[in-house]
Amino acid sequence: EVQMVESGGGLVKPGGSLRLSCGASGFPFSIYSMNWVRQAPGKGLEWVSSISSTSTYIYYADSVKGRFTISRDNAKNSLFLQMNSLRAEDTGLYFCSRGIMDYWGQGILVTVSS
Amino acid sequence: DIQMTQSPSSLSASVGDRVIVTCRASQGIRNDLGWFQQKPGKAPQRLIFAASTLQSGVPSRFSGSGSGTEFTLTISSLQPEDFATYYCLQHNSYPWTFGRGTKVEIK
Repeated sequence: EVQMVESGGGLVKPGGSLRLSCGASGFPFSIYSMNWVRQAPGKGLEWVSSISSTSTYIYYADSVKGRFTISRDNAKNSLFLQMNSLRAEDTGLYFCSRGIMDYWGQGILVTVSS
Repeated sequence: DIQMTQSPSSLSASVGDRVIVTCRASQGIRNDLGWFQQKPGKAPQRLIFAASTLQSGVPSRFSGSGSGTEFTLTISSLQPEDFATYYCLQHNSYPWTFGRGTKVEIK
């Protein structure tokens, strides 16, 4: 069974940092591109970042470029999102997803507030 | 960037109704489009990929059509479990973009 579980969220002050993790199981993680998608409270879905299977290709939304860094560890079946210089508008539920988003994790809440 | 214009933003319908949701891309995206369903407090689930291919396990009352710039999601006979928010996603070029969502509510 394909499973992805996010962790690392929480409450952080503006300007602070968080590192999200997504542990994957039930599929050959190393051959799939992976993504982060977020959803602000009561709002729609926003694509945040994608990384190719071997980390060769990495893409970011303009809203997070220069502040967030996506990475992966294929040996540990894990995806990461390092979030720096956090702002109130980064608050929301963060999902990891596989490939062209055929499977999603359950999401992890990030709250940026003083 | 490719903009996805999704309509309507919400609709009220009854069980058994036919429901159609539309997404228009600001430029051609071939068939690089997916449709997703999201229920409150849950992760989205992919219903359709490649514009018209039904995801395994998704009921056949869901269908997708279109290519280029115009796409539709059709629910042929709305069921109680279909009341949710629906999103389109273009993955033709980065940045990937979602439509703003269509909330399907009970009439």
